[in-house]
Amino acid sequence: AQKITQTQPGMFVQEKEAVTLDCTYDTSDPSYGLFWYKQPSSGEMIFLIYQGSYDQQNATEGRYSLNFQKARKSANLVISASQLGDSAMYFCAMSGIQGAQKLVFGQGTRLTINP
Amino acid sequence: DGGITQSPKYLFRKEGQNVTLSCEQNLNHDAMYWYRQDPGQGLRLIYYSQIVNDFQKGDIAEGYSVSREKKESFPLTVTSAQKNPTAFYLCASSLRDTPLNTEAFFGQGTRLTVV
Repeated sequence: AQKITQTQPGMFVQEKEAVTLDCTYDTSDPSYGLFWYKQPSSGEMIFLIYQGSYDQQNATEGRYSLNFQKARKSANLVISASQLGDSAMYFCAMSGIQGAQKLVFGQGTRLTINP
Repeated sequence: DGGITQSPKYLFRKEGQNVTLSCEQNLNHDAMYWYRQDPGQGLRLIYYSQIVNDFQKGDIAEGYSVSREKKESFPLTVTSAQKNPTAFYLCASSLRDTPLNTEAFFGQGTRLTVV
């Protein structure tokens, strides 16, 4: 079975600082994908970034980067130069071949950016 | 614009009643999903469907039912057997051909409250 663990229930960061949100995973699938989603207070889920298990380089999308450490089974999200609009819930998720494409989510981290 | 539409946004149900949540997508996606989110929690998979006329139970299917008669539509019925249905329900869809790296697109959600 696949499992995602996010150990930080809440994070508080000053505006313009970088922040790292932790995510560890467990799976028996030989191939899998890792995702990060942002959920503002309005409730919709916004896709941020994707990392494939066989990708050689860490994924980057603008201010978002994914620090993928396969041996440690971790997929931390790094947000550079945080902005007030980054305040939201952040969810790590994974997919796998044996998981029949369904996404498994972690519990989430509530990020608050202080001015 | 292409996307996923969930309706209604807010729904109130009396105890003992069945209620159906609507989810429609015009993205031509094969796979569709229903997730439940409780306050401060992650998303838990209720049901998913990879193709028309076929669907599978997720982790918390008890008390719920679905149908997939059309590619565009994946309605969720919350039955009276669901003991604690008050929650935020999210519908999602994704392409089926590239299961690992295909992000899921989410609707705006339906907040169900039992009164």
